[in-house]
Amino acid sequence: GQQLNQSPQSMFIQEGEDVSMNCTSSSIFNTWLWYKQDPGEGPVLLIALYKAGELTSNGRLTAQFGITRKDSFLNISASIPSDVGIYFCAGQSSGAGSYQLTFGKGTKLSVIP
Amino acid sequence: GAVVSQHPSRVICKSGTSVKIECRSLDFQATTMFWYRQFPKKSLMLMATSNEGSKATYEQGVEKDKFLINHASLTLSTLTVTSAHPEDSSFYICSASDSAITYEQYFGPGTRLTVT
Repeated sequence: GQQLNQSPQSMFIQEGEDVSMNCTSSSIFNTWLWYKQDPGEGPVLLIALYKAGELTSNGRLTAQFGITRKDSFLNISASIPSDVGIYFCAGQSSGAGSYQLTFGKGTKLSVIP
Repeated sequence: GAVVSQHPSRVICKSGTSVKIECRSLDFQATTMFWYRQFPKKSLMLMATSNEGSKATYEQGVEKDKFLINHASLTLSTLTVTSAHPEDSSFYICSASDSAITYEQYFGPGTRLTVT
């Protein structure tokens, strides 16, 4: 089956620093989604990417859909304590009725005030 | 944005009993709903996909007779864990998608199931 490699697995950063995480796949995806999950909660959609090469921002978050359609990155600028959580990438491939997501293993972000 | 609710948020049940978890899309019609299971410090594992009015499609290794899914309306799907055992204890999360408009999935807040 499809596999997503997400890195880094975890990171500790100082408040105010920028953060970057990425996902790579052995297969092509038509859609990339980035989610954030807080402990004991469901994932919350941050950014959705639909076109190869697309660069999309949501506040301090920026994500890009790789040109090869096999990778995506998420950047967080000027991190703040509430950015703490686990970030998941998810890829969605095409196909009749195929809406399933393949998730990365997550990046756990810790922000030191 | 799209809101998905789950009920209950936490449930404790005894071994051998059944537990029903509800997933509702509050402000949109969910043609497709998904059920995931998440173990501590792990990613989400898809259990099944359900389309309104039809039988759910289960992922390999997921017992359909143990995890009963009903998607009776465009805003409600239920997951029933039958004859629960301690190993069924987990965090269950649903997501919903209005696939007629977008492929984006919106997640519920999750249900923590503990089987004693």
